[in-house]
Amino acid sequence: DAGVTQSPTHLIKTRGQQVTLRCSPKSGHDTVSWYQQALGQGPQFIFQYYEEEERQRGNFPDRFSGHQFPNYSSELNVNALLLGDSALYLCASSSQITGLPYNEQFFGPGTRLTVL
Amino acid sequence: DAKTTQPNSMESNEEEPVHLPCNHSTISGTDYIHWYRQLPSQGPEYVIHGLTSNVNNRMASLAIAEDRKSSTLILHRATLRDAAVYYCIPANYGGSQGNLIFGKGTKLSVKP
Repeated sequence: DAGVTQSPTHLIKTRGQQVTLRCSPKSGHDTVSWYQQALGQGPQFIFQYYEEEERQRGNFPDRFSGHQFPNYSSELNVNALLLGDSALYLCASSSQITGLPYNEQFFGPGTRLTVL
Repeated sequence: DAKTTQPNSMESNEEEPVHLPCNHSTISGTDYIHWYRQLPSQGPEYVIHGLTSNVNNRMASLAIAEDRKSSTLILHRATLRDAAVYYCIPANYGGSQGNLIFGKGTKLSVKP
C-alpha cells in the first residue's frame, strides 16, 4: 500500500501565477482533506472533499479551490499566488465507508510551495 | 473549537519515559482527544485518541484527567525516532473529520 501520495514534491512559482497540486489517497479511502502548513506552525485546514464535492471549508479565500475525481484523487488549485502562500501543502485521506466508529486521517508528505 | 495549551518544547533521554501534557479546558462533552505527531520532513501521523478512559496502543498511552480538561501522552521508552512535534487535538468524534485544528504542538527532542 503506497499510502497517500502527493505531487510535485517541491514547486517554485512567482507572484500572480496559478498552481495545481495533486493528491492520491490511501487505497480504500474516499475522503480527501487539504491543509496548509506555514513554517513553524501547525497545519491549517483548507477544505475537505467527499463524493466529488467540497464538504467543509476552513478560513481560506476563494483563490483556493479544489476538485475530487471519481477515483477519489484530488487537486488543490491556488490562483493569483501571494508571497504568503509559500508553505507546505498537506493532503490527508480518510474513509467514510468502513463502518468503524473512528476514521483516522492519513497524511501525505506534502508539497513544498515557494512563491517568489 | 476547544483551545489547547502545550509546552513549546521538551527534551528526553533515549529509552526513558516521556510525558507530554496538554490542557484543553474548553473541550466539549462530545470531543475526543486526538494526538498526532509530525516527524521531520513528513506529514502528521495519528498516534492515539480517547474520550474519557485511559487508552493504550502500540505507540503510546493516553491518560485523560477525570474532568477532561487535560490529558497526557505517554511514550514509555523514547527512541530517537520519536523526535517529532506532537499535537493534541480535541475534535468531534464522528463529525468534522476533516477539520483537525492543529496548534503549534510540542517539539520533542530525544538525546542518545
